[in-house]
Amino acid sequence: ETGVTQSPTHLIKTRGQQVTLRCSSQSGHNTVSWYQQALGQGPQFIFQYYREEENGRGNFPPRFSGLQFPNYSSELNVNALELDDSALYLCASTLGRLRNTEAFFGQGTRLTVV
Amino acid sequence: AQSVTQLDSQVPVFEEAPVELRCNYSSSVSVYLFWYVQYPNQGLQLLLKYLSGSTLVKGINGFEAEFNKSQTSFHLRKPSVHISDTAEYFCAVSENRDDKIIFGKGTRLHILP
Repeated sequence: ETGVTQSPTHLIKTRGQQVTLRCSSQSGHNTVSWYQQALGQGPQFIFQYYREEENGRGNFPPRFSGLQFPNYSSELNVNALELDDSALYLCASTLGRLRNTEAFFGQGTRLTVV
Repeated sequence: AQSVTQLDSQVPVFEEAPVELRCNYSSSVSVYLFWYVQYPNQGLQLLLKYLSGSTLVKGINGFEAEFNKSQTSFHLRKPSVHISDTAEYFCAVSENRDDKIIFGKGTRLHILP
């Protein structure tokens, strides 16, 4: 098991609501990335945070936003939830640049929007 | 732009038989290549990675992959599969300058008794 923990593990929300997902990175890792994995698909990059600053963003609308805290834990916030936001949300942490270290993934949060 | 194509969405194979999961990538620069495994209801676990050097990469659980730059491929192989290898396998790529990982759509490995 990796040291990356995500909470909650499962969540059900209603369309239009807002949701916050949380991720605690592996000890010593200062970079956190978030991915969305829809059913039957590969994970898609949402954004990355490095030392509390956004450091790259995928093709997701602004209602997907994030934060990274001084202890390098992170939050993913999604506003105005849509049915298509139903997915497994994965958090990955790395120590600096990916080329030198592998990304460790958490178990994910399964979000269902009804 | 980078992309990853996993040519088979599902691969059935008998237990103790060899298996190859195919992956092709596209990128305009040098890349780093990965294979991840996802067991049911779990996150992703790194099987192996190619960063540089030898084109034959050995990973965990008896898996290996070969990087072929001319064919832009990174196929995953195992000489003898076990029922515990039942999972979804994802090929992924990352460029030098960018930390984001681009994943393929995955290949579901079915082990037949």
